[in-house]
Amino acid sequence: KAGVTQTPRYLIKTRGQQVTLSCSPISGHRSVSWYQQTPGQGLQFLFEYFSETQRNKGNFPGRFSGRQFSNSRSEMNVSTLELGDSALYLCASSLGTGTSYEQYFGPGTRLTVT
Amino acid sequence: GQSLEQPSEVTAVEGAIVQINCTYQTSGFYGLSWYQQHDGGAPTFLSYNGLDGLEETGRFSSFLSRSDSYGYLLLQELQMKDSASYFCAVEGQLTFGSGTQLTVLP
Repeated sequence: KAGVTQTPRYLIKTRGQQVTLSCSPISGHRSVSWYQQTPGQGLQFLFEYFSETQRNKGNFPGRFSGRQFSNSRSEMNVSTLELGDSALYLCASSLGTGTSYEQYFGPGTRLTVT
Repeated sequence: GQSLEQPSEVTAVEGAIVQINCTYQTSGFYGLSWYQQHDGGAPTFLSYNGLDGLEETGRFSSFLSRSDSYGYLLLQELQMKDSASYFCAVEGQLTFGSGTQLTVLP
């Protein structure tokens, strides 16, 4: 079974631009979560989608948004990019939402904002 | 809010046993998970504790005490390949600790 895939793997953008990242979960997984990882802040939860509905949201500004499609694929959008948005963006999929479901992470998208 | 505390760094030698602690404060708690992340790689799931007690998976064990809001990951018979970052996570709120960098020395 194929793992979680994320595209693109690397991205360079300039301040003020917007960016869309894509995540394809493991087949059969209906939950997709997004995380931002930076050296100083560790893994920060952005949001979780389950069956096309946002189930949870972290403490990020409204510039960060996401959506999930009927095939469980998910996209994350960041508008008006800031230098501080430079990070590794990870998505993770799981069979269900909540407690004991193991999350499977993709390789991440490395975003650099200049 | 939610917060998890874990040591930033731990160093041990091959063959030794190391324990990585995690204390948490959350408004809603459903279980504690542990993930391993090698440099440049994605986090991978190690274990989950939904109830108090010890869960054993090969060389790795994880413990949870809900009354103490505390858990730990125990790594036995350390190998060089165990050098990585280890994160505890509260699944109910999808909150991760800041990670513990484990260095295994020969």
